[in-house]
Amino acid sequence: DAGVIQSPRHEVTEMGQEVTLRCKPISGHDYLFWYRQTMMRGLELLIYFNNNVPIDDSGMPEDRFSAKMPNASFSTLKIQPSEPRDSAVYFCASSTGQLNTEAFFGQGTRLTVV
Amino acid sequence: QKEVEQNSGPLSVPEGAIASLNCTYSDRGSQSFFWYRQYSGKSPELIMSIYSNGDKEDGRFTAQLNKASQYVSLLIRDSQPSDSATYLCAVKLGGSARQLTFGSGTQLTVLP
Repeated sequence: DAGVIQSPRHEVTEMGQEVTLRCKPISGHDYLFWYRQTMMRGLELLIYFNNNVPIDDSGMPEDRFSAKMPNASFSTLKIQPSEPRDSAVYFCASSTGQLNTEAFFGQGTRLTVV
Repeated sequence: QKEVEQNSGPLSVPEGAIASLNCTYSDRGSQSFFWYRQYSGKSPELIMSIYSNGDKEDGRFTAQLNKASQYVSLLIRDSQPSDSATYLCAVKLGGSARQLTFGSGTQLTVLP
């Protein structure tokens, strides 16, 4: 398996623009997580899905952020409008439903909003 | 109080020494515990997981769990410069929760 695949790897955008980050989880994994990593706040969970259904979105910082999972092999995280404070590395991860299993991370998307 | 706390470091050890990384967690219902390693500019990768009290060894790595004290640690024996990275402690609650909650990480530098 190719692992969790994220695109783009890097994104530079201007404040106010819409940004869409994409993720393909590992086949057979029914949990998908979106994390954000910054120096100040570390690795924070934004939202996670089980079988394409959002389970917990309490980590989504504002209404500017939204996430969808239209099918088992694709998810998006959208920021509209983007702001400089959204600059971070966004990771997608996936796992099976077993309690004692880890989450596998994608390579991340480094977002810079100028 | 943060849910998962780690000494932020940085921690420096000489090559060949033992590196000791510590983590405490606040929720007594936590069931699964993980140590991830993250090299600069890369994504976190799992190095150890532990679910029961006691020690678990894998090569040069030993994870230790004490649920009564709500404490998890990672020992790296015979540290190598290639072990220099940030180590993240992650905790998963029991029940239906499947998300990992991460500590802020400890930056380890192994000096040649």
